[in-house]
Amino acid sequence: GAVVSQHPSWVICKSGTSVKIECRSLDFQATTMFWYRQFPKQSLMLMATSNEGSKATYEQGVEKDKFLINHASLTLSTLTVTSAHPEDSSFYICSGGTTNEKLFFGSGTQLSVL
Amino acid sequence: RKEVEQDPGPFNVPEGATVAFNCTYSNSASQSFFWYRQDCRKEPKLLMSVYSSGNEDGRFTAQLNRASQYISLLIRDSKLSDSATYLCAVTLYSSASKIIFGSGTRLSIRP
Repeated sequence: GAVVSQHPSWVICKSGTSVKIECRSLDFQATTMFWYRQFPKQSLMLMATSNEGSKATYEQGVEKDKFLINHASLTLSTLTVTSAHPEDSSFYICSGGTTNEKLFFGSGTQLSVL
Repeated sequence: RKEVEQDPGPFNVPEGATVAFNCTYSNSASQSFFWYRQDCRKEPKLLMSVYSSGNEDGRFTAQLNRASQYISLLIRDSKLSDSATYLCAVTLYSSASKIIFGSGTRLSIRP
């Protein structure tokens, strides 16, 4: 079946640096990708909806200048955490698909900011 | 009020037991309903979609009550491998749209 490839799987960075997470859709064209964040023992919280060729739509409370989303092609969406701080340490995961029944998730990125 | 609410658990039950999870959603316009399973630090995996008529897949049975805005999942004859976090989820539209997840219910099956 279709796959969403997410990289990196985990990253450790120093406070103040920026981290880019990539999600690639394989075998299908993802006009929309969803980015989620999950803190320990909490649920997946939607951060933003990434739309190919247009600006992302951010959920309330998510800083668009801090979490930069780029969706320049039908197969690639990226999330950049700018000037990361320890409170940004979390599990980030993307999903995309054609229908609700066929939404595919990336494998997630565990970000640890020191 | 959260859009999707679940009992966080944890549920700790012996192997072979039957366990039921409940979930409520606040938006009556919600159209699609799902149960996902998530293992620690892994992506959620679709367990089953939920329909008003109820649906069953092996040991798993899901039910939707639109009037009460309530979703349930029943696991019969639980196995050790069923240990995971179970997330209920809803969407507003039938096409690919954002999924709103519940906070998840942790299930531990003991030998």
